[in-house]
Amino acid sequence: GAVVSQHPSRVICKSGTSVKIECRSLDFQATTMFWYRQFPKQSLMLMATSNEGSKATYEQGVEKDKFLINHASLTLSTLTVTSAHPEDSSFYICSARDQGQGWYSPLHFGNGTRLTVT
Amino acid sequence: SQQGEEDPQALSIQEGENATMNCSYKTSINNLQWYRQNSGRGLVHLILIRSNEREKHSGRLRVTLDTSKKSSSLLITASRAADTASYFCATALPSYGGATNKLIFGTGTLLAVQP
Repeated sequence: GAVVSQHPSRVICKSGTSVKIECRSLDFQATTMFWYRQFPKQSLMLMATSNEGSKATYEQGVEKDKFLINHASLTLSTLTVTSAHPEDSSFYICSARDQGQGWYSPLHFGNGTRLTVT
Repeated sequence: SQQGEEDPQALSIQEGENATMNCSYKTSINNLQWYRQNSGRGLVHLILIRSNEREKHSGRLRVTLDTSKKSSSLLITASRAADTASYFCATALPSYGGATNKLIFGTGTLLAVQP
């Protein structure tokens, strides 16, 4: 089955530093990847849609300069949390759609990254 | 704002019993999907039902969709302790955006199956 690898699974960083999270589709190509954020015991909130070779599309209220997204290839998207603050601590999850399965096909998710900012 | 709301927020049952979760959404959809999330992990796709379908089965899962009421239900029959997880509905909105069609997730139901 389609596998999405997300790395790192856990990261602790100090306030003011930046953290990069990688999302890779291992056995399929994904022109589009989606980044979600999840607070404890809550649902997933879509942050942005990552488009290969072009700029990401951010949801309302998500700071573009805070959450930098790069989708440099058909199998890799990265999310960089810049100048992290404790309120950025959260569970970040990426997902990707196999472009060969159609536009409305299910998403394949990474295992998430637990970010803790101290 | 989130597209879907789920009911109940939490459900505790005994092994062997059936579990039913409901999802309501607000706007027209192309399809509705159900996902499962084990604690601290990513989501796993369970089943997809299109807007022109009313019922779908997959193993012990049964999903219904009522577009007139903008609601869906997920039934897990003969539950097992391993079914313990959070379950989310997600709606795919009809759009002309092609590959960028995004999923909007509901609030989720936390299911606990007691052995």
